[in-house]
Amino acid sequence: EVQLVETGGGLVQPGKSLKLTCATSGFTFSTAWMHWVRQSPEKRLEWIARIKDKSNNYATDYVESVKGRFTISRDDSKSSVYLQMNSLKEEDTATYYCTRQTYYGYNFDYWGQGVMVTVSS
Amino acid sequence: DIQMTQSPSLLSASVGDRVTLSCKASQSIYNSLTWYQQKLGEAPKLLIYDANSLQTGIPSRFSGSGSGTDYTLTISNLQPEDVATYFCQKYYSGWTFGGGTKLELK
Repeated sequence: EVQLVETGGGLVQPGKSLKLTCATSGFTFSTAWMHWVRQSPEKRLEWIARIKDKSNNYATDYVESVKGRFTISRDDSKSSVYLQMNSLKEEDTATYYCTRQTYYGYNFDYWGQGVMVTVSS
Repeated sequence: DIQMTQSPSLLSASVGDRVTLSCKASQSIYNSLTWYQQKLGEAPKLLIYDANSLQTGIPSRFSGSGSGTDYTLTISNLQPEDVATYFCQKYYSGWTFGGGTKLELK
């Protein structure tokens, strides 16, 4: 059974940092392309980052609003993907989902349960 | 940037109805369109990809159609378990979601 479990969320002050972890199991993580997607309190979904696999040099891509502040990374030995979030802003408040890109396209076929991040003073 | 607009934002229908949800892109996205279903308190679930391909395990009452800028998700014979918010997403030139259509029962 495929599982994605996000941890590391919480309440943080503006300007501070937080690191999210997504631990996965049930599939060959090393060849999967992984993403982070967030959902605002207003329920709007926003794709924020992607990391490819080793054969694609672990290439990363980000939405413009988080470039330079967020970093996606992975550890294939731990079947985990991470999201380092720096210089957090109140507008980063959201539920953050870890997702797996399908092997046959550009869609997201498995999602974690989500982790809440609240940025507030 | 290509914008995705869904309509209506709220749809009320009865069990057994055929319902149609719309998703419009601000320019052609060449069928690079996915539909997700999100039930209350859950993560989104992949329903339809490439505009009209049914994801494995999804009931056949769900179908997708469209091309260019205009896409449709149709649910035939609406069931109580279909109450959810439905999001479209394009992946041509990056991933962008629509604002969602909340489907409720009359």
